[in-house]
Amino acid sequence: DGGITQSPKYLFRKEGQNVTLSCEQNLNHDAMYWYRQDPGQGLRLIYYSQIVNDFQKGDIAEGYSVSREKKESFPLTVTSAQKNPTAFYLCASSVGQGNIQYFGAGTRLSVL
Amino acid sequence: DQQVKQNSPSLSVQEGRISILNCDYTNSMFDYFLWYKKYPAEGPTFLISISSIKDKNEDGRFTVFLNKSAKHLSLHIVPSQPGDSAVYFCAARPYFQGAQKLVFGQGTRLTINP
Repeated sequence: DGGITQSPKYLFRKEGQNVTLSCEQNLNHDAMYWYRQDPGQGLRLIYYSQIVNDFQKGDIAEGYSVSREKKESFPLTVTSAQKNPTAFYLCASSVGQGNIQYFGAGTRLSVL
Repeated sequence: DQQVKQNSPSLSVQEGRISILNCDYTNSMFDYFLWYKKYPAEGPTFLISISSIKDKNEDGRFTVFLNKSAKHLSLHIVPSQPGDSAVYFCAARPYFQGAQKLVFGQGTRLTINP
């Protein structure tokens, strides 16, 4: 059963702490993406990766970091430099240059 | 600078009637448009798409219309069903940047009333 798995579903961050959100896909998709959704706003692109060991900044990359060591995995780290991390984070993937992106169920991050 | 706008935050429609969700864009470089549906606490799911070379695409109860001169697209759902209640996002792809950068609208919450 192919899909995109994000974990955890809920995450709490303390001040000054880095946290990592997991995203795994078994769709054999080349491209992966991280978005952030805030209330009343659309999805904003944080980072994306077209192939393993390569990734590019999206529109709001400051305070975030990613890695792409395996095709299946694209973890996102929310660093202490991100001053307003509370949001719903969505991971997506697509087939290479494909137009359609498929999304995971999301991780809701809150600050303690 | 909001390049893709959904000006109606919410829409309420009676079951069985037509739902029309609207989306406006400002960038002439968009060449592909998509609609996604999102339930609470879930990721968006792809619904329907349209290329800029077409003005209509239909899939069952869902039809997307594209008016390039007005930079406007709309999603029609006929007939509307209770399970259609969700947030709908339109998204657009600028062709010169490939498929990697979809630009999303703010979303419209559709409520289907029995």
